[in-house]
Amino acid sequence: NAGVTQTPKFQVLKTGQSMTLQCAQDMNHEYMSWYRQDPGMGLRLIHYSVGAGITDQGEVPNGYNVSRSTTEDFPLRLLSAAPSQTSVYFCASTQGNPYEQYFGPGTRLTVT
Amino acid sequence: GESVGLHLPTLSVQEGDNSIINCAYSNSASDYFIWYKQESGKGPQFIIDIRSNMDKRQGQRVTVLLNKTVKHLSLQIAATQPGDSAVYFCAENKWGGKLIFGQGTELSVKP
Repeated sequence: NAGVTQTPKFQVLKTGQSMTLQCAQDMNHEYMSWYRQDPGMGLRLIHYSVGAGITDQGEVPNGYNVSRSTTEDFPLRLLSAAPSQTSVYFCASTQGNPYEQYFGPGTRLTVT
Repeated sequence: GESVGLHLPTLSVQEGDNSIINCAYSNSASDYFIWYKQESGKGPQFIIDIRSNMDKRQGQRVTVLLNKTVKHLSLQIAATQPGDSAVYFCAENKWGGKLIFGQGTELSVKP
């Protein structure tokens, strides 16, 4: 199993541009989530999904959209990037124990 | 308000010594507390969790202690090894698997 994969690994955007961060898992996990991590801070939950077709907001959802059309994929969309969205983004999935989340390697996003 | 915080941002220990990483929380309604390890350039990795009705749980070389009276959580690592060098995060389960993470403690192991 590849586990949780994320693409791209690095991305630079200009203010106002849009993009999609990709996340996929091959473990057939129902629960998936997106976090952002800023320097010197823990992770903050952006959006999560408890299964295909179901999504909900986390702590910091503003400026981000998600969809979950399949169990495997959970893309995160930035509609109009802002410098405040410069961060490292992690996708995670879990099945069974909701606390034992499997994290991807992260996407480092810089918005100039 | 709700918060999960760590007492110390950095911890340096000698290889072979035991490490203790501390965490304070304020939401007494949290039902689970979890420790994650994050190595440089990687995503966090689950270490161990503890349910709120327990006060101690042991894993492989790790022990988590929960003191609900003072809302304190600690992670003890026995015989710390260079491979244990990482940032350690405590997290509390706010509801349904949605985790609130603390700031993190950077553990540095000296050979």
